[in-house]
Amino acid sequence: DTGVSQDPRHKITKRGQNVTFRCDPISEHNRLYWYRQTLGQGPEFLTYFQNEAQLEKSRLLSDRFSAERPKGSFSTLEIQRTEQGDSAMYLCASSTYGETGQPQHFGDGTRLSIL
Amino acid sequence: DQQVKQNSPSLSVQEGRISILNCDYTNSMFDYFLWYKKYPAEGPTFLISISSIKDKNEDGRFTVFLNKSAKHLSLHIVPSQPGDSAVYFCAGTGANSKLTFGKGITLSVRP
Repeated sequence: DTGVSQDPRHKITKRGQNVTFRCDPISEHNRLYWYRQTLGQGPEFLTYFQNEAQLEKSRLLSDRFSAERPKGSFSTLEIQRTEQGDSAMYLCASSTYGETGQPQHFGDGTRLSIL
Repeated sequence: DQQVKQNSPSLSVQEGRISILNCDYTNSMFDYFLWYKKYPAEGPTFLISISSIKDKNEDGRFTVFLNKSAKHLSLHIVPSQPGDSAVYFCAGTGANSKLTFGKGITLSVRP
């Protein structure tokens, strides 16, 4: 399978703990995106990388959130001091850099539940 | 401010008939619009897109129409099949490449 891979698929943790998610994009894709989806809503943009450079961060991404893509391949999203409101599906997507409208290909997400 | 609106939360159609899923947007800076399909416990899957300079794009059973003056687009599925039952998201994108999604429409195709 050469699609976008996310790990873990599910994460249950207590409020106040730190969590880290991993995303492995499609190998030839140089753009990588993180989105968050809550119940009844569409995915909301969090941040994106072109190669190893983080080019944009949403206002949704508080200072408790940090994302990295150290070698321009896989990416990690860390949430420190988790809160109840962080419970959501975290989706990763990748695409090639090119003209606007290049479709982003999504992984199956990491579902985070905060107890 | 919701820039992409899918005002009907659900749609039910008979197998073999046409499904029409609607989407409205407010952001004039969108260059492209994309439709994604999502099954439970899976990530969204890209279906079809359309450039803002076109008014129609077709791919097999799926056709997307864009009315730029009305800031409205629609996805037509003909003929509808039970396997098309899923949540459909409309999204817009511009120069910054991030996708702005609507809330989605749940399509049910009855056998």
